[in-house]
Amino acid sequence: DQQVKQNSPSLSVQEGRISILNCDYTNSMFDYFLWYKKYPAEGPTFLISISSIKDKNEDGRFTVFLNKSAKHLSLHIVPSQPGDSAVYFCAASDSGGGADGLTFGKGTHLIIQP
Amino acid sequence: DSGVTQTPKHLITATGQRVTLRCSPRSGDLSVYWYQQSLDQGLQFLIQYYNGEERAKGNILERFSAQQFPDLHSELNLSSLELGDSALYFCASRRDTHYGYTFGSGTRLTVV
Repeated sequence: DQQVKQNSPSLSVQEGRISILNCDYTNSMFDYFLWYKKYPAEGPTFLISISSIKDKNEDGRFTVFLNKSAKHLSLHIVPSQPGDSAVYFCAASDSGGGADGLTFGKGTHLIIQP
Repeated sequence: DSGVTQTPKHLITATGQRVTLRCSPRSGDLSVYWYQQSLDQGLQFLIQYYNGEERAKGNILERFSAQQFPDLHSELNLSSLELGDSALYFCASRRDTHYGYTFGSGTRLTVV
């Protein structure tokens, strides 16, 4: 069973507009959430994270929102730029006990169109 | 360069064989994680080591094993390889829970 789901395999957005990537999770023990960006032939690169004690975290053009009651998080990118075209992975961890391997979604391929 | 080094970058081997993938974590990072990314799949957590000791296991097959050495580098051993083991294998490291995970660029394993 998939504990972290990204239901949109791909998303196309015009340059300058807002990109919204969504992620749902089922494990209520998850307390730390991250977004990673991945270009072809490279490893995932950390983008932004949020702890379960918060509902929003912002870093420049990137904002992550967490709705714990709905077990849903989203990544907003404003404004979208051509360099944002990549695969975005949502990930979650249950940090209790020190075993904190990440559970990833399958990714959303974001395409920014000029 | 993320600071996490994985070797080799590419590996082609036959079914039934055994291979070893190597990971050097970022300087100062005590935790090493291994992940597998198969076609159309997200990254699957395999195993975590912390300062030389196994900390957690994920979806790791019994044919796979790993270890972390005193210098903190880690090796993932894959044996009795099957076609389905063809995947990208990523290593990540982390200093402690207050820091993010840093990934290497991966090893692409092709089993023929």
